[in-house]
Amino acid sequence: EVQLVQSGAEVKKPGATVKISCKVSGYTFTDYYMHWVQQAPGKGLEWMGLVDPEDGETIYAEKFQGRVTITADTSTDTAYMELSSLRSEDTAVYYCATTPSSEANHPFYWGQGTLVTVSS
Amino acid sequence: SYELTQPPSVSVSPGQTARITCSGDALPKKYAYWYQQKSGQAPVLVIYEDSKRPSGIPERFSGSSSGTMATLTISGAQVEDEADYYCYSTDSSGNHRGVFGGGTKLTVL
Repeated sequence: EVQLVQSGAEVKKPGATVKISCKVSGYTFTDYYMHWVQQAPGKGLEWMGLVDPEDGETIYAEKFQGRVTITADTSTDTAYMELSSLRSEDTAVYYCATTPSSEANHPFYWGQGTLVTVSS
Repeated sequence: SYELTQPPSVSVSPGQTARITCSGDALPKKYAYWYQQKSGQAPVLVIYEDSKRPSGIPERFSGSSSGTMATLTISGAQVEDEADYYCYSTDSSGNHRGVFGGGTKLTVL
């Protein structure tokens, strides 16, 4: 059974950096892309970027380029999303999501979400 | 940057057919995917590659795509189908850069 377990809720001050983890099990970590998705309270889903755990190659949404870093640690089967220069608008639930197969690249299996609150 | 456009809301009575559209310039070349999200839960994929239904998704969910518009159809909508629905696709650059539509709130009452 594929499982994605994310780290717990965070409270950060404006200007700080947050790093969220997503530990996977039930499949070979390097076989499938890992996406990260933002959802602000009462708002829609926003695609942030993805990483190919096999080679670490990343693609980011233009909106987050320069502030987001997505990485994959193959020794622990864990993906990370780091968001810097936090502002109040970054208060959101962040999801990791992996694809259903090596031929696909859309999100399919989702983590439980991590709430990040940015407040002074 | 690339955008997918959805109507903010759609409302139907139970048993009626609900149709949710998603428009985007790259849809003639790129697949559309549809996610259902209920309050407080992670999204669930209900349609992939324009018209395919994942295992476990009821047959009343179907998808189609023509030109720059993809459509999610729920035939005989049930009260439990009330949720937010998002389309997802990638831009035309070929590098897997994803994008979600703004979401459509489906009300069934």
